[in-house]
Amino acid sequence: EADIYQTPRYLVIGTGKKITLECSQTMGHDKMYWYQQDPGMELHLIHYSYGVNSTEKGDLSSESTVSRIRTEHFPLTLESARPSHTSQYLCASSDPGSATEAFFGQGTRLTVV
Amino acid sequence: ILNVEQSPQSLHVQEGDSTNFTCSFPSSNFYALHWYRWETAKSPEALFVMTLNGDEKKKGRISATLNTKEGYSYLYIKGSQPEDSATYLCAPNSGGSNYKLTFGKGTLLTVNP
Repeated sequence: EADIYQTPRYLVIGTGKKITLECSQTMGHDKMYWYQQDPGMELHLIHYSYGVNSTEKGDLSSESTVSRIRTEHFPLTLESARPSHTSQYLCASSDPGSATEAFFGQGTRLTVV
Repeated sequence: ILNVEQSPQSLHVQEGDSTNFTCSFPSSNFYALHWYRWETAKSPEALFVMTLNGDEKKKGRISATLNTKEGYSYLYIKGSQPEDSATYLCAPNSGGSNYKLTFGKGTLLTVNP
């Protein structure tokens, strides 16, 4: 069973607010990922991390930022939310190595009004 | 980044039918291929991670094959059941310590009872 948790599961927030989506895993995985999925669309990688103090931008440009101060924690922040940020955000983690499976959190469904 | 094509985009089958779909990727610079199943309202879940040309993996009624020379993988479902309804995602990668897990658009399978 995957031990990766995202909070909140659902968030409705007003335009201009700062928000942080939390992602934590207890598996000691070095690699962590954030994906964004707009309704009916594909899963896009927006951020990833190889380990503590390492963060990289993914394939889809995003106004969000991430940090990785601890192995188990990979929060995503939007400084000023906009309706265009409305989407589902999924966090995942894996061991190092290209042939290791990733484990996904339950996702955060964000609506900016 | 390895460009990946999945086909068909969507598929409707009757309960009991067997079905298959394709993941195509550039054959050069390949290291591993991941298959994931993503059921509605759940998190993506790993099915297989494959690395060797000619490899075949099986989990219950689901199996997958890999051809790294021509750059494709097939996913087969034997005797489809309604609970197999999901989006099936593949993610090839080129390996290395800095690889990132990026997905194709997926195949949406609907199994009608």
